Amino acid sequence: AQKITQTQPGMFVQEKEAVTLDCTYDTSDQSYGLFWYKQPSSGEMIFLIYQGSYDEQNATEGRYSLNFQKARKSANLVISASQLGDSAMYFCAMREGLGGGKLIFGQGTELSVKP
Amino acid sequence: DTGVSQDPRHKITKRGQNVTFRCDPISEHNRLYWYRQTLGQGPEFLTYFQNEAQLEKSRLLSDRFSAERPKGSFSTLEIQRTEQGDSAMYLCASSLETQINEKLFFGSGTQLSVL
Repeated sequence: AQKITQTQPGMFVQEKEAVTLDCTYDTSDQSYGLFWYKQPSSGEMIFLIYQGSYDEQNATEGRYSLNFQKARKSANLVISASQLGDSAMYFCAMREGLGGGKLIFGQGTELSVKP
Repeated sequence: DTGVSQDPRHKITKRGQNVTFRCDPISEHNRLYWYRQTLGQGPEFLTYFQNEAQLEKSRLLSDRFSAERPKGSFSTLEIQRTEQGDSAMYLCASSLETQINEKLFFGSGTQLSVL
């Protein structure tokens, strides 16, 4: 069964510094996708970045990059140049198979950016 | 830009009462998902539709929960005989693609409190 683990309940980072949020996953499927979402205090889940299991390059979206280590089954999110507005919950999620469908989410990491 | 809309934003009910939530997806999206999120946890998958067909339902979902999407547009989630353990945020999401990189777009959720 697929599983996502985020072992950092909370993280602090100084404004303008980089931070890495950890995510490990477990799946027996060869085809899968990994996602990161941000959830500010307003509650809405915001898509940040996607990495496919067959992608050879690490995904990047602006200040977000995904450090994908397939053999270790990890998909860590790196946020560069942290901003105060980055303070939020961050969730790692996975989908198995090629045809779309449900995402399974981890427990989340609460990031606090200090001025 | 009309995103995913959920109604109501908040619902307070007494134990044993029935409640119904509504979700209006992004208009051209053919897939619609329901998730439940409790405080400090990641979203938990409940069920999803492709057009009007319910393609998957979580095995953890009680028989008291039922979801419909009668015309392939909006969806309703009904909880019968509510219990205090049903208190949670109920999130709806929609998507267009049916591929592994399918992004889910989330609404702001309905916060249910069962007294």
